[in-house]
Amino acid sequence: QKEVEQNSGPLSVPEGAIASLNCTYSDRVSQSFFWYRQYSGKSPELIMSIYSNGDKEDGRFTAQLNKASQYVSLLIRDSQPSDSATYLCAVTSGGSYIPTFGRGTSLIVHP
Amino acid sequence: DAGVIQSPRHEVTEMGQEVTLRCKPISGHDYLFWYRQTMMRGLELLIYFNNNVPIDDSGMPEDRFSAKMPNASFSTLKIQPSEPRDSAVYFCASSPTGQGRNTIYFGEGSWLTVV
Repeated sequence: QKEVEQNSGPLSVPEGAIASLNCTYSDRVSQSFFWYRQYSGKSPELIMSIYSNGDKEDGRFTAQLNKASQYVSLLIRDSQPSDSATYLCAVTSGGSYIPTFGRGTSLIVHP
Repeated sequence: DAGVIQSPRHEVTEMGQEVTLRCKPISGHDYLFWYRQTMMRGLELLIYFNNNVPIDDSGMPEDRFSAKMPNASFSTLKIQPSEPRDSAVYFCASSPTGQGRNTIYFGEGSWLTVV
């Protein structure tokens, strides 16, 4: 069974700091990796996707993928209170592009 | 684009009653998903459709749950009879095929409470 594991948190960081969110997955043939952000009472929305080893940067967000170690991370630089949300990691494997979601990490950015 | 539209947004019903949740996917999207989210179990995929055909319903918890997609612009998730443990947020989502197909667009959710 494909598993995607995340620390549920909450992860608490001060405003302006770097928030580091981590995700591990069990299926070695996983191909596509996604980070969704979900504000309290709202639906998940895609913020980052990454498909190859290394880093991918988009504004204050950086996704990092290490397939050999089977982990993907999301770094948020200059964290803002508005970044406070639950971050869901999602992974697709093999020929299926139906992602498996982790349970999410709650991030709290305090002023 | 209007996004994925779900109704009702909130529903409170009594145990044993039938519940019908409705969804209109984004126009042109070939895939439609029904998810359930709870604190205990996180986000669970219940069923998904491709071109209106159910592809995988292995996530449907039991026979009390059923889903249909009679056309490309409408889907329903029905629970009959409902039970308190069905209380959750139910998300409908859709996804295009081709480039960017992995992106799943979620509706705002239907918050179900069964008392």
